[in-house]
Amino acid sequence: DAMVIQNPRYQVTQFGKPVTLSCSQTLNHNVMYWYQQKSSQAPKLLFHYYDKDFNNEADTPDNFQSRRPNTSFCFLDIRSPGLGDAAMYLCATSRDQRGATDTQYFGPGTRLTVL
Amino acid sequence: QKEVEQDPGPLSVPEGAIVSLNCTYSNSAFQYFMWYRQYSRKGPELLMYTYSSGNKEDGRFTAQVDKSSKYISLFIRDSQPSDSATYLCAMKGTGGFKTIFGAGTRLFVKA
Repeated sequence: DAMVIQNPRYQVTQFGKPVTLSCSQTLNHNVMYWYQQKSSQAPKLLFHYYDKDFNNEADTPDNFQSRRPNTSFCFLDIRSPGLGDAAMYLCATSRDQRGATDTQYFGPGTRLTVL
Repeated sequence: QKEVEQDPGPLSVPEGAIVSLNCTYSNSAFQYFMWYRQYSRKGPELLMYTYSSGNKEDGRFTAQVDKSSKYISLFIRDSQPSDSATYLCAMKGTGGFKTIFGAGTRLFVKA
């Protein structure tokens, strides 16, 4: 089945220790998104790639970076995690960016704990 | 004021009840309206989407959009314990890419 896969599902890191979260997709979608979701809050878009074109949200801290080496994979790098970065990180994909059929397909998420 | 407001609940109903979930929004440019279901510790999955105003039905689920009131609803008929989840509304404008999510309503359906 075509899907969005995130690894690891659970990640524990220490304060200030860099961490990388992984997302892969078999949908061959052009767009990949990274969201941060804290408990009982709406998913917050951090950035997205349209193909190789990177688009950062204005309020995304510099501490968060992303890489998309090919269509299938996208990585979220947190350079110096703080306690406030503990959250669920969701990867999503969509075929394109416009229209009602441009629905987003989410992965299961990576729950990040910062000690 | 948030662009999308959604009552966080929790909402607890007995099995078989009709459930009504709602969102209000402030941006009149929104044209596409979605409902996602998110089970605990899982990613959201798309349930329904609607373009502009009107109703859309899919099985036990009905989505309604009232653009004049900036109000959208999701109705679940004959609710089941397996419907217990958080329901997120989401919306976007035409030509834009950014989807704005509500914070979600937690629903518990008791057997």
